[in-house]
Formats: sequence, structure tokens, C-alpha cells
Amino acid sequence: NAGVTQTPKFQVLKTGQSMTLQCAQDMNHNSMYWYRQDPGMGLRLIYYSASEGTTDKGEVPNGYNVSRLNKREFSLRLESAAPSQTSVYFCASSYGDHTDTQYFGPGTRLTVL
Amino acid sequence: TQLLEQSPQFLSIQEGENLTVYCNSSSVFSSLQWYRQEPGEGPVLLVTVVTGGEVKKLKRLTFQFGDARKDSSLHITAAQPGDTGLYLCAGPLWVAGGTSYGKLTFGQGTILTVHP
Repeated sequence: NAGVTQTPKFQVLKTGQSMTLQCAQDMNHNSMYWYRQDPGMGLRLIYYSASEGTTDKGEVPNGYNVSRLNKREFSLRLESAAPSQTSVYFCASSYGDHTDTQYFGPGTRLTVL
Repeated sequence: TQLLEQSPQFLSIQEGENLTVYCNSSSVFSSLQWYRQEPGEGPVLLVTVVTGGEVKKLKRLTFQFGDARKDSSLHITAAQPGDTGLYLCAGPLWVAGGTSYGKLTFGQGTILTVHP
């Protein structure tokens, strides 16, 4: 099992460009999440999907959109990148509720110039 | 303002020393999780504490959940260089009118460096 995979691993964008971060899990998990990690801020939830076909906003959703393509895949889109979106992005998944273990991918390091 | 405050933010110690990391909040959490993250990787769950006053031990690591379920601590005995990493506490974020289903709020983290 690969667990949670993310692509790309690194990306540099110019202000105003768009891109999609891809995430896939092979653990048959129901819930998937997108976080961003900034120095001194811990991880902050951007969006989550409790099940296939549903998505909901987290703490910092502005400037992002998500798609739960199927049970395995959950993508994060930046329509018009801004320097404030420079961060490390993590995708995670869990089988069930908030006490369940969340399994994280290796992250995507995004720089917006 | 962080819902979960971790202290200290940085800890640099010698191999063999003991240390404690604290995670505090003014809010009550139904459970708290501790994660460890190494550079270039995602966080990995160490433990979940659910009951107020609960103590869990994982080899040299001892986790405690406060009686009022507002705070938690991680104590490492005889630290080793392999313990180096970022330690994060996390708890479920409750949204008014919604549920906490699968949503965690994280502390800002404690960067631990253990020197040989």
C-alpha cells in the first residue's frame, strides 16, 4: 500500500497563475482533508470531505476550491495564486470520525512569486 | 490566537535528558492527539487520549490528558537523537450548528532537537 500520495512535491507559481494539487489514498478511507502548514502556525484545515460527493470548508478556505473526484482522490485548486498562499500543503485521510488516525501524505511545497 | 497553545516552541537538549512539552487551551476537547513530524514528511500519529486524567505510555514517551480535558502533556524520558522532530498536538474543532466530524485544530508545534 502506498498510503497517501501527493503530486507534485514542489511547485513554483507566479501571482495569478492557477494549479491543482492532486491527492490519492489507497486505504479505502471515507474522509479526506487538505491542510496548509506555515512556520509557527501548525497545520490549518482548508477543506475536508467526510465522504465521496461531499465537501466542506475548514478554517482557511478562501482562495481555494476542492473536488472529491471519487473515494480515492481529493484535489485542491488554486484559481489565482497569491504570495500569501506560499506554504506546504498536506493531504490526509481517515477511515471515520475525529478520533480516528489521520494519515498524511508527504506534502507539496508551493512558492508563489 | 491559537486555540491550542504549545510550549515551548523550541527545545534543544542533550541525549539522555528528560523533557516535557505542553499543550494548553481554554476550551474543552473531547480528545487530543499527538503527532510527530520529521523534515520533508507529513505528521504521524503517536497517540490519542480520550478520557480526562488519562495517562498513556509509549516506550519512553508518556502522554497525559488533563482532568478538565483542556490540556495535555508529552514527557520524554532519556531523549535520543532519533526523537528529534516537530511535535504537534491536535483536537477536534467544533463548528456551531455542525459537527466535529474529522476536523482537527492543531497547536503551532514544538521543534525538538536532541544532540548526541
